[in-house]
Amino acid sequence: EVQLVESGGGLVQPGGSLRLSCSASGFTFSSYAMHWVRQAPGKGLEYVSAISSNGGSTYYADSVKGRFTISRDNSKNTLYLQMSSLRAEDTAVYYCVKGPRVTMIVVAYFDYWGQGTLVTVSS
Amino acid sequence: DIQMTQSPSSLSASVGDRVTITCRASQSISSYLNWYQQKPGKAPKLLIYAASSLQSGVPSRFSGSGSGTDFTLTISSLQPEDFATYYCQQSYSTPSITFGQGTRLEIK
Repeated sequence: EVQLVESGGGLVQPGGSLRLSCSASGFTFSSYAMHWVRQAPGKGLEYVSAISSNGGSTYYADSVKGRFTISRDNSKNTLYLQMSSLRAEDTAVYYCVKGPRVTMIVVAYFDYWGQGTLVTVSS
Repeated sequence: DIQMTQSPSSLSASVGDRVTITCRASQSISSYLNWYQQKPGKAPKLLIYAASSLQSGVPSRFSGSGSGTDFTLTISSLQPEDFATYYCQQSYSTPSITFGQGTRLEIK
């Protein structure tokens, strides 16, 4: 059974940093590109970032480019999102997401989602 | 970016009703369109991919159609567990994918 379990969310002040983690199981993690999608409270879904299966390629939405860094450790089956220079508008539930078996950053659809971790940016 | 516009934004319906939700793309996206269902406090769930393919385990009362710029999600006979928010998502411009704003389906 595929499982994606996020952790690391919490309350952080504007300008602060936070690192999210996503522990994956039930599939060959190292063979899949992985993604982060976020959802502000009461709002819709926003695609944030992606990383290829070997970590060699990354993608960022314009809204987070230069502030967020996605990475992965295939030996630990774990995906990360390092967030810095956080703003109030980054407040959201962050979902770790996988799609079909592709190694490169090609989004088809998202077939498994974690439960999400809430990040609140506020003073 | 390709803009995805869903209509209506909210909808009230009764158990047993046939319901259709529309998603329109700002440019042609061929059949690169997916549909998700999200219940309060839960992660989204994939229903339909590639415009009309039913995800494994999803009831057959859900169906999708369309290509180019206009797409529909149809629920043939609403069940109590179907009341949720539905999102479309285009993957044509990967990795710059975008979601629709959502359609909230409520009980009448």
